[in-house]
Amino acid sequence: AQKVTQAQTEISVVEKEDVTLDCVYETRDTTYYLFWYKQPPSGELVFLIRRNSFDEQNEISGRYSWNFQKSTSSFNFTITASQVVDSAVYFCALSASLEYGNKLVFGAGTILRVKS
Amino acid sequence: NAGVTQTPKFQVLKTGQSMTLQCAQDMNHEYMSWYRQDPGMGLRLIHYSVGAGITDQGEVPNGYNVSRSTTEDFPLRLLSAAPSQTSVYFCASSYSGLVIYGYTFGSGTRLTVV
Repeated sequence: AQKVTQAQTEISVVEKEDVTLDCVYETRDTTYYLFWYKQPPSGELVFLIRRNSFDEQNEISGRYSWNFQKSTSSFNFTITASQVVDSAVYFCALSASLEYGNKLVFGAGTILRVKS
Repeated sequence: NAGVTQTPKFQVLKTGQSMTLQCAQDMNHEYMSWYRQDPGMGLRLIHYSVGAGITDQGEVPNGYNVSRSTTEDFPLRLLSAAPSQTSVYFCASSYSGLVIYGYTFGSGTRLTVV
């Protein structure tokens, strides 16, 4: 079975601070995919990144960066110089075996509040 | 606009009523699925379909039915609504059975059962 743990329920930061959202996953599969989604107050799910288990390179996209470490089963997400518009719920998700077709297993989400 | 369309956006039901949440996609995606989102629990898979005429249960299927008569549509039916079904429902689609193609999510339906 697969499991995703986002231990941080809620994080509050002041604008321009850096913030890291933690994600720890469990799977027995050797081939799997990890995702991050953003859910702003408007409610839609916005895709941020997909990473497969064979690519451990860290990725940077503007103020966003992701650190994938198979040794610790973690896929952490860092926002540099946070902005109020970054306030949202962030979900980490995992898709591994063919159980349930293309089942995405989501973490519980981390609420990020960025204050001006 | 191409994408996944969910209707309605909001719905209030009385306990015991039935209704259908609609989901349509115009991307010719074979794979479609329904998730429910509850506070502190992320999104959980209700039902999914790998193609027209093929459906299967996810991890929380009780109280819900689905059908897939066309590639485009994947409605979710609540046969007898219960307060425990108060949630936000998301429909998602994907090109094929391979997750590398990613998912497209609808904008969600917020359902309240009183």
